[in-house]
Amino acid sequence: DGGITQSPKYLFRKEGQNVTLSCEQNLNHDAMYWYRQDPGQGLRLIYYSQIVNDFQKGDIAEGYSVSREKKESFPLTVTSAQKNPTAFYLCASSPIRITNTGELFFGEGSRLTVL
Amino acid sequence: SQQGEEDPQALSIQEGENATMNCSYKTSINNLQWYRQNSGRGLVHLILIRSNEREKHSGRLRVTLDTSKKSSSLLITASRAADTASYFCATDASAGNTPLVFGKGTRLSVIA
Repeated sequence: DGGITQSPKYLFRKEGQNVTLSCEQNLNHDAMYWYRQDPGQGLRLIYYSQIVNDFQKGDIAEGYSVSREKKESFPLTVTSAQKNPTAFYLCASSPIRITNTGELFFGEGSRLTVL
Repeated sequence: SQQGEEDPQALSIQEGENATMNCSYKTSINNLQWYRQNSGRGLVHLILIRSNEREKHSGRLRVTLDTSKKSSSLLITASRAADTASYFCATDASAGNTPLVFGKGTRLSVIA
């Protein structure tokens, strides 16, 4: 089935450790996004990519890093520099680039807890 | 930056009643979208309305857009317990090359 797969669904991390969240899509979408969601809050944009080997910072990129080596993959690394990483992370994709924003397709999310 | 702000933050209604949620935004937009999120899950797209449209329907959903007031409303008619979820509006600024910006959402509870 076509869609976006995020893994792992739940992740625990000790302070000072880096952790990488996986996001894979088989929808052949150009654009991919990472959002962070805190309890009772909306989504805040971390990074986005419109094309392979290119990505841009969102509103809260500090302490995070991404790569886009393949069209279908957009992993997010939460580094030890991120001071408050406990959150729900959502990956999304869209079939067209930013200049004509259309519908976003979301994964089921990854919940990261720092112990 | 959060462009859209939903109102109310939380809404509780009886099954069969209508639910209305509002969204206000700050800058000119190309389109406005509404999404639904069940607890602990990803978001699902509900409906998109373009800046040159005033009203759009999809099943039990009705969306209006007033660009002069920079506001939109989402109406769910004849609500069901399964409609219980959080609802978010999202906008894309007409100026510049920027992704969607989401509001904080309205948490809807439909009581059977």
